[in-house]
Amino acid sequence: DAGITQSPRYKITETGRQVTLMCHQTWSHSYMFWYRQDLGHGLRLIYYSAAADITDKGEVPDGYVVSRSKTENFPLTLESATRSQTSVYFCASSVLGDPVNQPQHFGDGTRLSIL
Amino acid sequence: GQQLNQSPQSMFIQEGEDVSMNCTSSSIFNTWLWYKQEPGEGPVLLIALYKAGELTSNGRLTAQFGITRKDSFLNISASIPSDVGIYFCAGPDSNYQLIWGAGTKLIIKP
Repeated sequence: DAGITQSPRYKITETGRQVTLMCHQTWSHSYMFWYRQDLGHGLRLIYYSAAADITDKGEVPDGYVVSRSKTENFPLTLESATRSQTSVYFCASSVLGDPVNQPQHFGDGTRLSIL
Repeated sequence: GQQLNQSPQSMFIQEGEDVSMNCTSSSIFNTWLWYKQEPGEGPVLLIALYKAGELTSNGRLTAQFGITRKDSFLNISASIPSDVGIYFCAGPDSNYQLIWGAGTKLIIKP
């Protein structure tokens, strides 16, 4: 039972480069989420997806692009990375979009540094 | 927008001590969730609270939903080394997306 996996675990890149973070889940969960975690801010939602080909913005979507062509994959792309996007990124999935009755299951994160 | 304030930011305790932390908001929440994040991993749900005044336990962890619906508390009794990590409170906003506190980091002194 692989669950939810993120790749890469660590990434260093330069300002202006494009970088894609991958997320794959084996549970066939409908909902998938991308969060960023910064000191003093907890987790903030970037984008989420209710199903394949359905995505929506979260609290901090600027500078990010997502796609969901298959239920199991939800890649996050930084089209032109900036230093302010240095963070730890977490992907999560859940059966339903209701976090009250269906817990979100998180990957182990990608630590991204932009120089 | 809605915000959750957690305190303390960090705690240095001896093994065996009891731990208390809290989460407050200026607005009402209908559900409170407590997550734990261990080093190098994603958060894991510990306890969910659904009703004002509710007290729920999960082993040595006990969480309470404040009667004003603007706060919640998490207690850990007789701490052990594996309790180390960051504890987050979270609650759903009007769009059912989670709002997270900044976390309380628990460190156990050797």
